[in-house]
Amino acid sequence: QQQVKQSPQSLIVQKGGISIINCAYENTAFDYFPWYQQFPGKGPALLIAIRPDVSEKKEGRFTISFNKSAKQFSLHIMDSQPGDSATYFCAASMGSSASKIIFGSGTRLSIRP
Amino acid sequence: NAGVTQTPKFRVLKTGQSMTLLCAQDMNHEYMYWYRQDPGMGLRLIHYSVGEGTTAKGEVPDGYNVSRLKKQNFLLGLESAAPSQTSVYFCASSYGYRAQANYGYTFGSGTRLTVV
Repeated sequence: QQQVKQSPQSLIVQKGGISIINCAYENTAFDYFPWYQQFPGKGPALLIAIRPDVSEKKEGRFTISFNKSAKQFSLHIMDSQPGDSATYFCAASMGSSASKIIFGSGTRLSIRP
Repeated sequence: NAGVTQTPKFRVLKTGQSMTLLCAQDMNHEYMYWYRQDPGMGLRLIHYSVGEGTTAKGEVPDGYNVSRLKKQNFLLGLESAAPSQTSVYFCASSYGYRAQANYGYTFGSGTRLTVV
């Protein structure tokens, strides 16, 4: 019930296309859903995050779509660029005080020029 | 502002040897974490700390020990290294509350450990 399932494991998208990464969770107590971006040789960095009281959050070319009833959320990267090539992790946590973030297994995204 | 600094960046150990990984943060964060990252496994929590002098077990604590003697430092120890501990280790830190809209962890750049 603590798991966050992420798919696909790897993804190849043409430059200018839309990249979509999906995640699903079971624990309805989760109330914070961040996405992290990791470049080779670096640690993950917070990209964008959403709370379940909204269905969508957009920051530039990055959008999180959230479906509370289906317990699913996804990351959309519009106009994908070679610089977006990285590993992306979805995650979930709960509670107003800081608590352990549960990470998905990651998606390796490659954008072909 | 250095953020989270991990040392060393690379290390090769022989089976049975011991070592300590050091994590230092300069953001006055309350919480600190140690993760390991393995291909296809994502990030798995080893141990974490909610404040100076406190530690707790995460998902995969066996074979590791930690200490948080100072708020800014979090040490991860391997008492007797095994090949199964070959991995990339990440330290992270965060505030002890989630007041910000984009609350999140700050990660270090990792330590690549190989046990032969």
